[in-house]
Amino acid sequence: DSGVTQTPKHLITATGQRVTLRCSPRSGDLSVYWYQQSLDQGLQFLIQYYNGEERAKGNILERFSAQQFPDLHSELNLSSLELGDSALYFCASSVGPDQNYGYTFGSGTRLTVV
Amino acid sequence: QKEVEQDPGPLSVPEGAIVSLNCTYSNSAFQYFMWYRQYSRKGPELLMYTYSSGNKEDGRFTAQVDKSSKYISLFIRDSQPSDSATYLCAMSFGGATNKLIFGTGTLLAVQP
Repeated sequence: DSGVTQTPKHLITATGQRVTLRCSPRSGDLSVYWYQQSLDQGLQFLIQYYNGEERAKGNILERFSAQQFPDLHSELNLSSLELGDSALYFCASSVGPDQNYGYTFGSGTRLTVV
Repeated sequence: QKEVEQDPGPLSVPEGAIVSLNCTYSNSAFQYFMWYRQYSRKGPELLMYTYSSGNKEDGRFTAQVDKSSKYISLFIRDSQPSDSATYLCAMSFGGATNKLIFGTGTLLAVQP
């Protein structure tokens, strides 16, 4: 157990729907990162939050949004889902805002859009 | 062209073999270089990281970075069936640019 908790583990939903993925960082970590892993693209950085504030943004679609709450857990919201959004979504955490290595990853949420 | 290229494999070796895993990259601004291991249905787990060029050893694992060639390697000595996993290289620029750029991963199978 890495200490980073992601729920749910699996999610199957229909095109056009909206889902929320949840992440609880490791105790003491203030930064949360979201990554998408697909077979053809590998792991892609989506967004980072540090202590409740957006810190860095990657290739996150406008249909996707995220936030980090005062208790430091984070949620990734995916809306108007398309078949191509099917992927593994990973959350990672670190202590500081500028961590260039050594993230701790959760076990991921497998999203299937049908 | 992708920023980080990695042979997807699969790579199959007998138990006890020395394994060499490699990545090439195009952006000379990368400063931090990492290797992650990912077991099936699990999240990536950091194995080793290196800052700038050079070698780093940790038990059976050795990481090498050659910035002049834009080439990084991970060597696994005395490979074990438990090493069977996908190995991902990752890089970052340092400073406030926090995202890691990952290779697509090499699937390794160590046969008993």
